Amino acid sequence: DVKVTQSSRYLVKRTGEKVFLECVQDMDHENMFWYRQDPGLGLRLIYFSYDVKMKEKGDIPEGYSVSREKKERFSLILESASTNQTSMYLCASSFWPGQGANYGYTFGSGTRLTVV
Amino acid sequence: SQQGEEDPQALSIQEGENATMNCSYKTSINNLQWYRQNSGRGLVHLILIRSNEREKHSGRLRVTLDTSKKSSSLLITASRAADTASYFCATENNNNDMRFGAGTRLTVKP
Repeated sequence: DVKVTQSSRYLVKRTGEKVFLECVQDMDHENMFWYRQDPGLGLRLIYFSYDVKMKEKGDIPEGYSVSREKKERFSLILESASTNQTSMYLCASSFWPGQGANYGYTFGSGTRLTVV
Repeated sequence: SQQGEEDPQALSIQEGENATMNCSYKTSINNLQWYRQNSGRGLVHLILIRSNEREKHSGRLRVTLDTSKKSSSLLITASRAADTASYFCATENNNNDMRFGAGTRLTVKP
């Protein structure tokens, strides 16, 4: 079974803290993605990566950074957490298109982050 | 930016009925995918339809794609209470990244 594991289901952090959200996949997928999900807005792409040490900005990268030092791990970093970053964060991975693109994306269970 | 927009936002039906959800999008796509999300959980991939395909089936799911109208529909036949969830369409564009709609909340009453 393909698995994408996010390190925490629930997280509460204080304003101004540096926050790390970790995501690990075990299917040797090239692509990894971070989304945030907010009511009425659906999923919005924050950052993605097609390869180790590669990163691309999504639609809402402000206030976030990412790190991909190993193929299986993609970390999302909130440099200085703010209350408007309270959200559900979803990590996903997939094969490079053409190498099993019929499988779509595999998502983790999500991390619900609350910034107080 | 959101690409897909689902319609309706919410749908409530009785067990055994069919559920139809629609998705419209704005730009050219490589493929369109449908996902399901149970409350508070991650998304689960249901089905993928490529831009050169018009219809696809998987079990009780039927997906159609009309690229001239930039729209897709997901039909769930003989619905069950366990089908209660949110359903999202997602479009993958020529840059190989994916955009999601806000979802349709389906409730199937026993």
